[in-house]
Amino acid sequence: QKEVEQDPGPLSVPEGAIVSLNCTYSNSAFQYFMWYRQYSRKGPELLMYTYSSGNKEDGRFTAQVDKSSKYISLFIRDSQPSDSATYLCAIDTGFQKLVFGTGTRLLVSP
Amino acid sequence: DTGVSQNPRHKITKRGQNVTFRCDPISEHNRLYWYRQTLGQGPEFLTYFQNEAQLEKSRLLSDRFSAERPKGSFSTLEIQRTEQGDSAMYLCASSHRDRGGSEAFFGQGTRLTVV
Repeated sequence: QKEVEQDPGPLSVPEGAIVSLNCTYSNSAFQYFMWYRQYSRKGPELLMYTYSSGNKEDGRFTAQVDKSSKYISLFIRDSQPSDSATYLCAIDTGFQKLVFGTGTRLLVSP
Repeated sequence: DTGVSQNPRHKITKRGQNVTFRCDPISEHNRLYWYRQTLGQGPEFLTYFQNEAQLEKSRLLSDRFSAERPKGSFSTLEIQRTEQGDSAMYLCASSHRDRGGSEAFFGQGTRLTVV
């Protein structure tokens, strides 16, 4: 079993839609969870990080962690074409060493 | 400071040649990481440094790979006798050990093509 599982997509939505991106993980000891956005041929850009369970909001983005289900989510409200990218969930396995999901490719059409 | 800087951005090399990549982290960051990313996959951890000490290496890092961070600032990743399977994006990230959370910031990567 992989440490982090993520649906690769692609996920296609119209502009203005609410997007839900999800990952599951295997080790209940993990405490720090991150979402990165990666545009084609660029490096990953940190969007959100959360500690333990709960929600964290930043503008149109909300990160949610459910440790009981070992499930992490990223919600994007009022999605824009500029949000079209690959979204990577990542988990800190210790010493800020990250394990990533495969990434979900998101396409937002005008 | 504009973030993590990686050079070169692209490298095409013939199989069997040696290549070296450089990473300049965010200046106050004492931890530096190397990852490798292939098409359609997330980045995979290769190795990391705290200051100049290399503290962990993944089993993905074969003997042909070596990384250094001689003065605890910039780092180099060298691949000897390159193989076609080494073709990938090589990403560098940095973070600060004493700050809370897990904010690791990535550079734009070096895309290696072995022909």
